[in-house]
Amino acid sequence: QSVLTQPPSVSAAPGQNVIISCSGSRPNIGNNYVAWYQQVPGTAPKLLIYDNDKRPSGIPDRFSGSKSGTSASLGITGLQTGDEADYFCGTWDSSLTAGVFGGGTKLTVL
Amino acid sequence: ELQLVESGGGLVQPGGSLRLSCVGSGFAFSTYSMNWVRQAPGKGLEWISFITSRSNIIHYADSVKGRFTIARDNAQNSLYLHMNSLRDEDTAVYYCARDVKARGDAFDIWGQGTVVTVSS
Repeated sequence: QSVLTQPPSVSAAPGQNVIISCSGSRPNIGNNYVAWYQQVPGTAPKLLIYDNDKRPSGIPDRFSGSKSGTSASLGITGLQTGDEADYFCGTWDSSLTAGVFGGGTKLTVL
Repeated sequence: ELQLVESGGGLVQPGGSLRLSCVGSGFAFSTYSMNWVRQAPGKGLEWISFITSRSNIIHYADSVKGRFTIARDNAQNSLYLHMNSLRDEDTAVYYCARDVKARGDAFDIWGQGTVVTVSS
């Protein structure tokens, strides 16, 4: 049972847009910054978003992040087949004094 | 090239011990906080430990507290995870990861992972 809640799966056609949600509570998302990761099975996670909405160098602007209250979202526009992967949200939990992740969302590009 | 390389994984019996290592290169390792994150087969990511650049602040997940110890040697650009009293549920790929802002909330450089299998 993950501290952060994500939908297990989402799907969309190439070229379409998708939003992946991440729900938490005040000690984690409510009081801390959120990050998003992309993981292709068999490889290490890749940072897509940090500080709620910042993209590391090299991450295309098709990926965006937002946060409101105790929830966060990852948006992907113009879906490509190469975007098929698992996506995880993560943050710090001030009450647990621990890092926490969502359970992950499998994105299928139909 | 910014890189982290883990080593030390393997097969260990329940109750046994193992030490994982992670060597950083291509960046000023001594100035960054670091983390260990693991992923059990077919499961999601689980954060397990954080250490600041000077080792003055350390945190552990409840699932490993009292059994695992994180440490670093900045002179060797190395991060370690000493794992004792290993259990079946510790079976996972273990990643070391560089902390973006020294807050334990975002990790921008990851190693390739090292596999730990706990089984009799």
